Amino acid sequence: QKEVEQNSGPLSVPEGAIASLNCTYSDRVSQSFFWYRQYSGKSPELIMSIYSNGDKEDGRFTAQLNKASQYVSLLIRDSQPSDSATYLCAVMGSTNAGKSTFGDGTTLTVKP
Amino acid sequence: SAVISQKPSRDICQRGTSLTIQCQVDSQVTMMFWYRQQPGQSLTLIATANQGSEATYESGFVIDKFPISRPNLTFSTLTVSNMSPEDSSIYLCSVQQELGVNYGYTFGSGTRLTVV
Repeated sequence: QKEVEQNSGPLSVPEGAIASLNCTYSDRVSQSFFWYRQYSGKSPELIMSIYSNGDKEDGRFTAQLNKASQYVSLLIRDSQPSDSATYLCAVMGSTNAGKSTFGDGTTLTVKP
Repeated sequence: SAVISQKPSRDICQRGTSLTIQCQVDSQVTMMFWYRQQPGQSLTLIATANQGSEATYESGFVIDKFPISRPNLTFSTLTVSNMSPEDSSIYLCSVQQELGVNYGYTFGSGTRLTVV
């Protein structure tokens, strides 16, 4: 079992729709959770970090964390073609000294 | 937020040679992280570079193959030694920092390495 698993994708949604990206992790003591966006040929960039159960909203993005289910998701509201990218879920444990483990990513395409 | 300058951006190298990748950060940071991203795959941590001590390597990565220097709090290098085609990948340095309401990695622009 991979430490961090994401929807295999690719995911395609129409412009203006809600895109839902999902991630599960295996290490129960994980403390910090991240979503990164990576455009083709570019480096990943941080979108959201979340540490507590529940929702965290930042603009059109909402991260949801459920530690009991070992599940973290990212919702993108009012999806735009510019949101088309690969989204990487990353997890950090309490004793990992800043090191993150990344999922394989889900590629999202938003169609105009 | 910190800005990371990474170079070279890309290189094509002969097998058996070595390449040194440099990362310069515009502010002092305690830890720098070196990742590899092979084509179509996610990021794998190679090592953590701490100033004043030896780098900490992840399973599957060794110092002889990937020596790292960290002479000060703003600079680090990663060398890929005795390269083979399997080393063809994108190499990324990163630092942790606050980014607005979030906290996570900022990455350098990456070095795309092709070994022939």
